[in-house]
Amino acid sequence: EIVMTQSPATLSVSPGERATLSCRASQSVSSNLAWYQQKPGQAPRLLIYGASTRATGIPARFSGSGSGTEFTLTISSLQSEDFAVYYCQQYNNWREYTFGQGTKLEIK
Amino acid sequence: EVQLVESGGGLVQPGRSLRLSCAASGFTFDDYAMHWVRQAPGKGLEWVSGISWNSGSIGYADSVKGRFTISRDNAKNSLYLQMNSLRAEDTALYYCAKGRMGDRRGWFDPWGQGTLVTVSS
Repeated sequence: EIVMTQSPATLSVSPGERATLSCRASQSVSSNLAWYQQKPGQAPRLLIYGASTRATGIPARFSGSGSGTEFTLTISSLQSEDFAVYYCQQYNNWREYTFGQGTKLEIK
Repeated sequence: EVQLVESGGGLVQPGRSLRLSCAASGFTFDDYAMHWVRQAPGKGLEWVSGISWNSGSIGYADSVKGRFTISRDNAKNSLYLQMNSLRAEDTALYYCAKGRMGDRRGWFDPWGQGTLVTVSS
């Protein structure tokens, strides 16, 4: 099983600042990586797929990068609605999808 | 607009069975893979199972293999999850999620609002 490790577990950032979230895979997943945002009481929402492609309707302040085992989600200028939990997910192998444990982005 | 509506959750005793359903609308259901993802209370996301457009490819997480069975009825635009031999650790909110076309590996978009399964005596 491919293990996804996200860091940090919690990130405190002020509105307007940049946030950088990391995700590491235990083995290469090429660019088969997605990012999701989840707010309390809501279902997850797809932000990024293919490691760097924004999903439909996702603001340009969200960007993804990386390949292989190291990935980054960057939010360039945090808005109040961006404070949430973020998950990475690898889909390198059918029947073996895994998520990271999540990073909680909180207001500083 | 794509809509996924889960149902069938509830309180069930350990060792018993439950069948979840997901009603899909707003897209050509039989073109897409579908998945179940769960989230235990206060915890992260765990992929449970996925099924390709024609049921030709099916996968399960190790934690549910041999106990859960995924299926779909394309004529009814519906996805199912038969859960047998339920355990306390299966307690979670179960989400239905749309995958990619055919049997291609990929991401989940969108997700339903989930149905809660509680396994307890």
